[in-house]
Amino acid sequence: KQEVTQIPAALSVPEGENLVLNCSFTDSAIYNLQWFRQDPGKGLTSLLLIQSSQREQTSGRLNASLDKSSGRSTLYIAASQPGDSATYLCAVYQAGTALIFGKGTTLSVSS
Amino acid sequence: DVKVTQSSRYLVKRTGEKVFLECVQDMDHENMFWYRQDPGLGLRLIYFSYDVKMKEKGDIPEGYSVSREKKERFSLILESASTNQTSMYLCASINRAGGETQYFGPGTRLLVL
Repeated sequence: KQEVTQIPAALSVPEGENLVLNCSFTDSAIYNLQWFRQDPGKGLTSLLLIQSSQREQTSGRLNASLDKSSGRSTLYIAASQPGDSATYLCAVYQAGTALIFGKGTTLSVSS
Repeated sequence: DVKVTQSSRYLVKRTGEKVFLECVQDMDHENMFWYRQDPGLGLRLIYFSYDVKMKEKGDIPEGYSVSREKKERFSLILESASTNQTSMYLCASINRAGGETQYFGPGTRLLVL
C-alpha cells in the first residue's frame, strides 16, 4: 500500500531564506505527484503538478523535483516571504485510485 | 472562476442526525472524491466516484454513504452522525486521465454535538 511521508513536520525560517521541503513515497508506480498549499481552515490549492515522466516543474519562486526511482520529491521555495506561511502537502496519484497524501509540512516565515 | 463548491462552510449537527454534504464541480470531471482531514491524521479518503452512479470505498467508509446522480454533483451522507465524525470534509475532482491537477473545494467544517 502506498505511503507518503513528509519531513519535516514543521519548519520555521526568517524571511528571505531559501528552503526545501521533502516528500517520499513507497511505491514508484505513480501517475503524477502534486504539491498543494493549505491555509488554516481553508481548502487545498494546487501549486505544482509533475507527471511521472518529468523531472521538475517551476512556478515563480517554487521549484519541485521528482525522482521516481528513489521515491522522492522536493519542493524548493526561493527567497521565502511571510505570505508563504502555510501547510504544504505532497500527494501522489496512481491510476484507478485517488490522491494519497502525506501529512504535510507546516511552514512559518517570520519577518 | 468557480471550480469546486461545497454547500456549507460550517455545519453544526446533533448526534443521530442524518447529514448531507453536497459538492458540485463545473469542469466536467469524471472522478470525484470525498476526504476528511483531522489533526495528526492528514487527509483520508472516504469514498470516490469515477462515473455517474458509480462509487468506490476509500480507506474509511464506515458510517458514510455517497450519491452521484449527476456528473457534476457528488454527495456525502452521514446516516447517523456521531461525535467522532466531527472533522473538516473536503471534496475534490479530477479528469478521468488524471493528467491534470486535482481541484479541491473550500471544505466543510462539521461539528457533531
